[in-house]
Amino acid sequence: SAVISQKPSRDICQRGTSLTIQCQVDSQVTMMFWYRQQPGQSLTLIATANQGSEATYESGFVIDKFPISRPNLTFSTLTVSNLSPEDSSIYLCSVSQGGPYEQYFGPGTRLTVT
Amino acid sequence: KNEVEQSPQNLTAQEGEFITINCSYSVGISALHWLQQHPGGGIVSLFMLSSGKKKHGRLIATINIQEKHSSLHITASHPRDSAVYICAVFTGNQFYFGTGTSLTVIP
Repeated sequence: SAVISQKPSRDICQRGTSLTIQCQVDSQVTMMFWYRQQPGQSLTLIATANQGSEATYESGFVIDKFPISRPNLTFSTLTVSNLSPEDSSIYLCSVSQGGPYEQYFGPGTRLTVT
Repeated sequence: KNEVEQSPQNLTAQEGEFITINCSYSVGISALHWLQQHPGGGIVSLFMLSSGKKKHGRLIATINIQEKHSSLHITASHPRDSAVYICAVFTGNQFYFGTGTSLTVIP
């Protein structure tokens, strides 16, 4: 199984600023995913990050708000831009390894926007 | 309507009790996951199953494909089992997640 780390683990940010979240995997993986979990809600897929190509965004999520980088097969970043209190959530990185239905999740980044 | 429904939403148990969490889904799936989310937010995959039953320590997961239903059982529950348990299904294209069952085990 893959071991995933995320930085930061939590942050408190002011409205209008941006936060960049890093995701590091201990092995090379083809597909990395970014999820958001709003308070009391289930996980929602933001985008799929593919190395060497643009990220694929789900309906309701746009690149201007959630730019993603994937410079290599072990690392990705998600930036949440122009923060508003509605962006307060847990953001999770996950990877697929061993098969498309085998997903491993990172420890999450808890973002609070004031 | 959510593609994945879990029950109960919240569960409080005394240490040592047998616990069951249920998951029903409405889509065709390739696999079903049971995930455990700790208070800090990190998620750990407990089980992935596509048929039958799996056991790991005090945890047992079952799935009935025909009835589109899965259960997670915890035997001899312990306070360290306190967490949110999430059911997730993979259709072959994407994941759908339940909203989770918050379990508190009281010593």
